[in-house]
This record gives sequence, C-alpha cells and structure tokens, in this order.
Amino acid sequence: QKEVEQNSGPLSVPEGAIASLNCTYSDRGSQSFFWYRQYSGKSPELIMFIYSNGDKEDGRFTAQLNKASQYVSLLIRDSQPSDSATYLCAAPAGGTSYGKLTFGQGTILTVHP
Amino acid sequence: NAGVTQTPKFRILKIGQSMTLQCTQDMNHNYMYWYRQDPGMGLKLIYYSVGAGITDKGEVPNGYNVSRSTTEDFPLRLELAAPSQTSVYFCASSPRQGRAGELFFGEGSRLTVL
Repeated sequence: QKEVEQNSGPLSVPEGAIASLNCTYSDRGSQSFFWYRQYSGKSPELIMFIYSNGDKEDGRFTAQLNKASQYVSLLIRDSQPSDSATYLCAAPAGGTSYGKLTFGQGTILTVHP
Repeated sequence: NAGVTQTPKFRILKIGQSMTLQCTQDMNHNYMYWYRQDPGMGLKLIYYSVGAGITDKGEVPNGYNVSRSTTEDFPLRLELAAPSQTSVYFCASSPRQGRAGELFFGEGSRLTVL
C-alpha cells in the first residue's frame, strides 16, 4: 500500500463551486500533512499544512484531518479558473521533522468558467 | 534573492552518457533534496542532505549520486543514463528552523534519455 494516496481525479468543477480533494495515508504515526499546488510546467508550492484533527481554514482553502480514518482533504471554496492545477498531498517520510516528504500522485483540478 | 536555482532546464542524453544537474540555493538553508517527478505521478525523493558533508538516500537512489561540499550547492550526478531516468528533476531546500514540510523548489530540470 502506498504511504500517501490520492484516488480522486481528475476533477472538474464549475467556477464558484466547492472543489474537494482527498488523500489517505497508511502511517498512523504521521503527525502533519501538507498540500502543494503545482501549475502545469511549474514547480510545487506549499499552500496549506495541518497538524491537528479537525479543520484549518486559510482564505478560500480549508484543510481537514481525520487521524482515526487516516484521511486528509482540501476544500477550495468559490473555485476560480486560476485554481486549475495539480494538487499534491504530502506527509513526512519516516516521522522526520524536516522536508523529507512522501507525496501522493496528485489530483488534477480543472475549474471551468 | 534567487532562491533555488537549477541548471540546465532541459537536457537530452543518450543511453550510457553521464551528466550532472546543478542546484544552488542562496537562502542559507541546511536541508536540501532532490526529487524526480514522472508524468502523472507525485514526487519521489532521490537523495537528501541535512548539511554540508552529509547526504543520505531517499526512496529511489539507484543510478544517482550526490555530494554536498558547501551549504549552497547540491549537485545530482547521473551515471550511465537509462531511459527510466527520463523525468523532471526538482531540487528543493528547507531551513533548519522553520515550518516542517515547507520545501522551496527550483524550477525543475527536464531530462530525456534516448
């Protein structure tokens, strides 16, 4: 089983809708999770991180973590065409405290006008 | 402030050739990483370094070598290139004191092995 898995996608939503991106992980010891956004042909950039169970909101983005279900999600409210990108879920590999990350395969999001 | 700089941006190699991907950062970050990304896939860690003189293998190190003689530079060496090494390579760095998991990426180097 992959350590971090993103099963959904590609995902297409209309402008203004809520986009929901999902991620599951296998290591119950994982304490923190990260969402990176990658535009086509560009490098990934960190947009959200979450350490605690529950929700974390930052502008139009909400990260949700459920450690009991080993599930992480990213909600994008009022989706815009500029949100069209690949979204990568990541967790520290082997419980490290720095940037040695394990990434999911990514979910391609398209927001159409 | 340039951040993380990778060269070259594009390269075509023949099977069996060798080359070095250069990576330098000007943020005085202790940690540096090399990831590869195959089409439609996430990133896989090749090698990482926690400081000058210290390197370690990641998930997919076979066919690669690295060195870290200075804080700024972290070159990735490909020996005897194979078609399986066709990929986009990203160098990244992160500070010792900072948000764990926040990586600063270079623009990537697209390598094709024919």
